This record gives sequence, C-alpha cells and structure tokens, in this order.
Amino acid sequence: AQTVTQSQPEMSVQEAETVTLSCTYDTSESNYYLFWYKQPPSRQMILVIRQEAYKQQNATENRFSVNFQKAAKSFSLKISDSQLGDTAMYFCAFYTGTASKLTFGTGTRLQVTL
Amino acid sequence: EAGVVQSPRYKIIEKKQPVAFWCNPISGHNTLYWYLQNLGQGPELLIRYENEEAVDDSQLPKDRFSAERLKGVDSTLKIQPAELGDSAVYLCASSRGTGWSKNIQYFGAGTRLSVL
Repeated sequence: AQTVTQSQPEMSVQEAETVTLSCTYDTSESNYYLFWYKQPPSRQMILVIRQEAYKQQNATENRFSVNFQKAAKSFSLKISDSQLGDTAMYFCAFYTGTASKLTFGTGTRLQVTL
Repeated sequence: EAGVVQSPRYKIIEKKQPVAFWCNPISGHNTLYWYLQNLGQGPELLIRYENEEAVDDSQLPKDRFSAERLKGVDSTLKIQPAELGDSAVYLCASSRGTGWSKNIQYFGAGTRLSVL
C-alpha cells in the first residue's frame, strides 16, 4: 500500500519570503505521479503542481517548484515570493495507474504573514 | 469551462436521518470520484466511477452508504441512516480518465455534513 507523510502540521512565512513544504512517500511502484494540492478555507482543492516519476527534471509552475528525489522518495514544494493568497492547507498526493486514485498526506497548514 | 459543482455546501441533520449529496462533474470527464475528508486529514477515496460503472467501491461502507451515476454524468452519494461519525466534508472530483495523460483530478467545493 502507498503512504504519504507530511511531517510539518503547520508552517508560517512572511510575505515575499520563500518556504519549503516537505513530503515523503512509500511505494513499490516504479511509475507514478506526485501532486501538490492547495485547499483554502473555501474547501476547494486546487492543483498546484504535478510531477511524473519517470521525469528527472523537477516541475515548476510560476512561483511554485518541486524538489523530487526519487531514490529518497521525497517530494518537497518550494513557494517563492510568498503571497497572502498562498495561505491554505497544502496536501501532497500520490497516484498510480494500478490504484487509479489519489492517496493524500495529512496536510500542512501554511500561514503567510505581513 | 465550468468546474465541478457540488450541492449543498452545508448540511445539518440529526442522527439516523438520511442525507444525499449531488455532484456535477466537468463536461466530458468520464471519471468521477467521491472522497471523504475528516477534520485535519487528507481526503480518502470512497468510490470511483468510469462513466456509469462503479469500478472501485472497496472503501464505501455499503451498509449505510450508496452512490449512483446515472447516464454517466451527475452523481449522487447517499447516507442512510447517518451516524455521528459521518460528520465530515464530502468531496467530489472528476478527471478525463485514469490514463497517464488524463489523471488530473479537479475538485468541487465539497459538502460539509454535520450530524447532531
């Protein structure tokens, strides 16, 4: 079974600063996807970024980038130039074609302050 | 393009009462998911539909939960009777498919259920 671990329940960062959220996972699969989703107080899960396991190059989306270490089974999210609107719960998730479902971590609550 | 629409946003019921949640996926999305999100936790899959067929309902408590996706579009999730422990957020998501190029899931805003 796949598991996803987010060891930071809460984090805080000042506006315009950079923050990194950690995620580790465990799987015996060789082909999979990793995702970061953002869930603001409105509750709607919003896709932030996606990484394909067979791609060595780290994915980037504007201010968001990942550090994917396949051997270490680590998938961290870096948010640069943090904005107040980045305040939300961030969930790391894992997807395989075998299960065809997302397995989520327990989330990290990020607070961006002035 | 309209996103995944769920209703109601909030529902408060007394225990042992029935409740139903409705989901309209993104147009053209063949795969529909229902997730349960307990407070302080990540979502967990309840059921996955491919068109109108429930292909993974292994985590659905079938003694009280049921779901349907008539005509392969809208879906309804029902609980009867509701228990106190069912208080949670119920999220619906859809994707174009489950293949590698189609597996991005788009979520609705969820229904927050409170059972008193």
